[in-house]
Amino acid sequence: GAGVSQSPRYKVAKRGQDVALRCDPISGHVSLFWYQQALGQGPEFLTYFQNEAQLDKSGLPSDRFFAERPEGSVSTLKIQRTQQEDSAVYLCASSTRGLAGVTGELFFGEGSRLTVL
Amino acid sequence: AQSVTQLGSHVSVSEGALVLLRCNYSSSVPPYLFWYVQYPNQGLQLLLKYTSAATLVKGINGFEAEFKKSETSFHLTKPSAHMSDAAEYFCAVSSPDIGNKLVFGAGTILRVKS
Repeated sequence: GAGVSQSPRYKVAKRGQDVALRCDPISGHVSLFWYQQALGQGPEFLTYFQNEAQLDKSGLPSDRFFAERPEGSVSTLKIQRTQQEDSAVYLCASSTRGLAGVTGELFFGEGSRLTVL
Repeated sequence: AQSVTQLGSHVSVSEGALVLLRCNYSSSVPPYLFWYVQYPNQGLQLLLKYTSAATLVKGINGFEAEFKKSETSFHLTKPSAHMSDAAEYFCAVSSPDIGNKLVFGAGTILRVKS
């Protein structure tokens, strides 16, 4: 596709449910990032992939959060046993460059808005 | 650790007036600096970036920003606001010692009055 595609755009989950958020990056982009944006705040880094390798997961808030990118393209962010504090917009971004080349532009998707009741 | 402070969560200007959105950063090494814009229901879009070349950086839609090391600032300006500039603006910093990931400020919502 022309841009980064995320699905679902909106997800409502009951507390304790598991959710999966999908990111389809721009074709050929090596790097893929996940960010979490709480209401009224800026995006906060969750995790980073270079191709299929997860090189940095320092931002994942707990072991309930898990991300994968098995074939180096589509990525899934999974949240187990969701809690109310997980409510946020989850942003995916991709880039042509690896982590060492930050001067490459990050292209962001529109985000997946998760509401946990 | 790197951090970004955006002064003013909301800024309101009249159409045709100067836009000034403030950003101060903290970084232990020479940083890369970015401004992103987010229109309603859209993804973040890069406006401009500073990567240690010219200190005055020109971006899209008539925006520019100046890197001032002595003031640790990277304020965003536009000489004349347009209604279409209404959006949320995020300043971000990055550097090799944090793996070059982006650290964002809290954002500033720009309102343009007719």
